Amino acid sequence: ETGVTQSPTHLIKTRGQQVTLRCSSQSGHNTVSWYQQALGQGPQFIFQYYREEENGRGNFPPRFSGLQFPNYSSELNVNALELDDSALYLCASSQQGRRETQYFGPGTRLLVL
Amino acid sequence: KQEVTQIPAALSVPEGENLVLNCSFTDSAIYNLQWFRQDPGKGLTSLLLIQSSQREQTSGRLNASLDKSSGRSTLYIAASQPGDSATYLCAVRLGGAQKLVFGQGTRLTINP
Repeated sequence: ETGVTQSPTHLIKTRGQQVTLRCSSQSGHNTVSWYQQALGQGPQFIFQYYREEENGRGNFPPRFSGLQFPNYSSELNVNALELDDSALYLCASSQQGRRETQYFGPGTRLLVL
Repeated sequence: KQEVTQIPAALSVPEGENLVLNCSFTDSAIYNLQWFRQDPGKGLTSLLLIQSSQREQTSGRLNASLDKSSGRSTLYIAASQPGDSATYLCAVRLGGAQKLVFGQGTRLTINP
């Protein structure tokens, strides 16, 4: 157990809809990162939040957005869902710092029909 | 652009064997390298973290090495067990944001 939780565990949406995924970080962690993992692939970095500000972004369009709250919980929002957005979405929490490890949650499996 | 490659993509061995998983990366300017385990449909479990200044890390039957200059890491699993069956991912940490760049993983099956 990493102490990182995500909800929901599974979700089915249709193309064009919007979705919000949630993550609760490990206690005391001030940094959260989100990753997308397509079937059979390694996770890809979407973005990171540090103290409620975006602190780096991968190669994902603006329809992927996020929020981090003062209690270090966070959200990933995806607008105008596309079929290719079907994936496992993982959040990872950590302390800021180059030597810190990231602790991953169990993920949310999103299926877009 | 940092690229991470894992070979082989899949591996099947009998129980009790020692085995090595390989990971290579194209840019040696990394902060650290981490090995993860992923069970089907599940999240990632961190196995070992090697800082850029270190050469290896050990945890139980697992030993990971890092050769930054050649862009290579290996994960050695001793006396494999059926419970070791999973996908193993390596990831390098880049500067700036705590961005991890992952390989595609090696799917390991240990046969009883």
